Amino acid sequence: AQKITQTQPGMFVQEKEAVTLDCTYDTSDPSYGLFWYKQPSSGEMIFLIYQGSYDQQNATEGRYSLNFQKARKSANLVISASQLGDSAMYFCAMREGMYNNNDMRFGAGTRLTVKP
Amino acid sequence: DAGVIQSPRHEVTEMGQEVTLRCKPISGHNSLFWYRQTMMRGLELLIYFNNNVPIDDSGMPEDRFSAKMPNASFSTLKIQPSEPRDSAVYFCASRFEDYYNEQFFGPGTRLTVL
Repeated sequence: AQKITQTQPGMFVQEKEAVTLDCTYDTSDPSYGLFWYKQPSSGEMIFLIYQGSYDQQNATEGRYSLNFQKARKSANLVISASQLGDSAMYFCAMREGMYNNNDMRFGAGTRLTVKP
Repeated sequence: DAGVIQSPRHEVTEMGQEVTLRCKPISGHNSLFWYRQTMMRGLELLIYFNNNVPIDDSGMPEDRFSAKMPNASFSTLKIQPSEPRDSAVYFCASRFEDYYNEQFFGPGTRLTVL
């Protein structure tokens, strides 16, 4: 069963504006971690931000923030002040049972295009 | 730190040939993952190892695929015989098993099977 859902295949945003990329997840494990990765056209996978299920505050890393709504099982990525270099694929991922040997599962991704 | 190292970066081969992809994880990391990425199927986990032991290989497509991790600093993914539908980008990733468990990805190997 699909555990990570990214419903936006593609998104457009004007340079310098903020954009939200959606991610919902499904798990019955109380301990889990949520991750966002960026994949530019060059192909590498770049870690952006992490949110633990027990974290009280939303994670932030520079222009990236994670809007974590635990009851709704959503972990949306917010990019503020978009730059042309933000154009890329963005993947949401989850790992269940953080203290166990569990793998990380990825969503289908969202392709973000930043317009000048 | 050199990061996760994968070789080759690009591989073009003919159907029926054996293909071996290599990965060197980040030193000190004790979990290693092989992923395959295609346009149709996205990013799929093939197999992962913890302390050199395969934990879950349920994602391995079929018997033509095999993976080994003979020691903590080296892993291989072998396809024999290769088929055109195996064409994809293959990523290796590693992490250290602790609370903050970000996975670090290698640059990937782009495989083309003609």
